[in-house]
Parts: sequence; structure tokens; C-alpha cells
Amino acid sequence: QKEVEQDPGPLSVPEGAIVSLNCTYSNSAFQYFMWYRQYSRKGPELLMYTYSSGNKEDGRFTAQVDKSSKYISLFIRDSQPSDSATYLCAKGGNQFYFGTGTSLTVIP
Amino acid sequence: DTGVSQDPRHKITKRGQNVTFRCDPISEHNRLYWYRQTLGQGPEFLTYFQNEAQLEKSRLLSDRFSAERPKGSFSTLEIQRTEQGDSAMYLCASSTPAGGGYEQYFGPGTRLTVT
Repeated sequence: QKEVEQDPGPLSVPEGAIVSLNCTYSNSAFQYFMWYRQYSRKGPELLMYTYSSGNKEDGRFTAQVDKSSKYISLFIRDSQPSDSATYLCAKGGNQFYFGTGTSLTVIP
Repeated sequence: DTGVSQDPRHKITKRGQNVTFRCDPISEHNRLYWYRQTLGQGPEFLTYFQNEAQLEKSRLLSDRFSAERPKGSFSTLEIQRTEQGDSAMYLCASSTPAGGGYEQYFGPGTRLTVT
């Protein structure tokens, strides 16, 4: 079983839509969770990280962690074409584990 | 702050050759990480340094792979006797202890092609 599971998509939404990206994880020992955005042929870019259950908001982005169900989510409000990228969830401890990434396309 | 830099950006080599990649972290960052990413996959953790000490190594890091960070600044990743399965993007990231290691800033990567 992988440490982090993520639906690879692809996901295609119209501009302005709310996007929901989801991951599950398997080991409760890890408590930090991160979301990265990766454009084609670029390194990942950190969007948000959180360590507790609940929501963390930053602009149009909200990260949500539910430790009881081992579920992490990223919500993007008012999605823009510039949000088109691959979104990676990750968890961290002594080592770091990434999901496979979800490819998102926002259509103008 | 010029960000994390990696050199070279692209490397093509023949199977069996040795290759070495360099990573220069953000100047005040004392933690440095190496990852490998193949097409359609997320980054796979390889190893990380705090200053010059290599603190964690993934079981993915076979005997053919070695990483160093001799003065706690830049780091090198060497792959000996390359195999076609080593073809991937090799990513470096850095962070500060204040970031808990979770605010990692990635470089642009070195794309390795083994022919």
C-alpha cells in the first residue's frame, strides 16, 4: 500500500468553478501534510502545508485534513486558467511521500 | 534570494557511465533534499541533509547512488554505472529548520536520459 494515494485525474473544469482535489494516506505517524503545484517541466511549488485536522485557508486555496479518516483535500475557489497544472499532495516526517499528482485544466 | 539552482538542467548519458548532479540551495537553508521523479509520478524521496550530515536515506537509494554535502552548502548526487531505469528528473529542494522541513523549495530539476 502506498503511503499517499491520489487520483491522477485528469480533471477539467470551467473557469470560475470550485475545484476539489483529494488524497488519502496510510500511516498516522506522519502529521504534516503539504500541497504543491507543478507546471510542466518545472519543479514543484509549495502552496500550503498544515499539521492539524481542520481547514487552513490562503487566498483562493483551502487545505483540509481529516485525520480520523486519513483524508486530505485542497479546494480552489474561483479557478483560473493559470491554475492549470499538476497538484501534488504530500506528507512529511523523517521522510517525505508524495502522491502521483492530479492534472487540472481550467478552461476559459 | 535566487532560489534553488541545479546543474546541469539536462544530461544524456550512455548506460554504464557515471553522472554527477549539483544542487545549490537557498543560501540560508540548512536542509537539503534529493528526489527522483518519473513521468506521471510524484517525486520519490531519496535522501536529505541537515548541514553536512546525511540524516535519512530511502531504500530507493541503491549502492550506485551517493550524495554528499561536504561543507553544508551545495550538494552533489552521483549515479554510478547508470541504467536505463535511472532515466528521470532529479529534483533538489531546501528548507530551514523553522519550516520544519515541510516548507521545501524545489529547484528546476536535472533531467537525466540514459540511452
